[in-house]
Amino acid sequence: SQTIHQWPATLVQPVGSPLSLECTVEGTSNPNLYWYRQAAGRGLQLLFYSVGIGQISSEVPQNLSASRPQDRQFILSSKKLLLSDSGFYLCAWGDLTYTFGSGTRLTVV
Amino acid sequence: TQLLEQSPQFLSIQEGENLTVYCNSSSVFSSLQWYRQEPGEGPVLLVTVVTGGEVKKLKRLTFQFGDARKDSSLHITAAQPGDTGLYLCAGDSGYSTLTFGKGTMLLVSP
Repeated sequence: SQTIHQWPATLVQPVGSPLSLECTVEGTSNPNLYWYRQAAGRGLQLLFYSVGIGQISSEVPQNLSASRPQDRQFILSSKKLLLSDSGFYLCAWGDLTYTFGSGTRLTVV
Repeated sequence: TQLLEQSPQFLSIQEGENLTVYCNSSSVFSSLQWYRQEPGEGPVLLVTVVTGGEVKKLKRLTFQFGDARKDSSLHITAAQPGDTGLYLCAGDSGYSTLTFGKGTMLLVSP
C-alpha cells in the first residue's frame, strides 16, 4: 500500500534561519507531488508541484523553493525564513485524488 | 482562475442535529471530492463524485454532485462529536492540480 511520510511534525525556527522539510512516498512510482501551506486551519494554498524528478512548478512567488532529487522525495526549502512563513505545511501525492501527509507546523520567531 | 466557494465558513451545532454544507462554482468540474481534516492532521479523502446528479452515501454522510457538475453538497444526519473537523471540497478541471475551497469548519458539541 502507498504511504506518505512528512517530517518533522513541528518546528520552531528563528527569522533568517534556513528551512528544509522533507516528504517521501512509498509504494508508488513517479507520483505527482505537491506542497501546500495552510493558515489558521483554513484553505490550502498550493506552493509547488512536481510531475517528475527535477520538474518543479511554482504557483506562488515567495521565499520558498522546492526540489525533487529522487522519484519519491520532495523537499521544501528556504534560505532565510520570514515571520510570514509560519504556517502548517502539507505534502501530498496523487493524480485525480490526493493523499496528504500529516503536516509540519512551522513557527518562525 | 477557477474558484470553489464553500458555505457556511463555520458551523457549530449540537450532537444529533442535521446539517448541510455547500460547495459552489461557476466552473464545470470533471469530478469533485470531499476531504475532512482534523486539527493538526492532513486532510483525508471522504468521497469522489463524478457524474452530474450523482448521490453517494457513507453511513450518515450524503454527498451530491450538481446536475451541471458545478456544485456539490454534503449532508450529515445526526451529527456526532467525531464529525468535528474542517470539510474541504476540491474540484478536478483537467489541469495539473486540484482546486480547493477554503473549507467549512464544523464543531459538534456533545
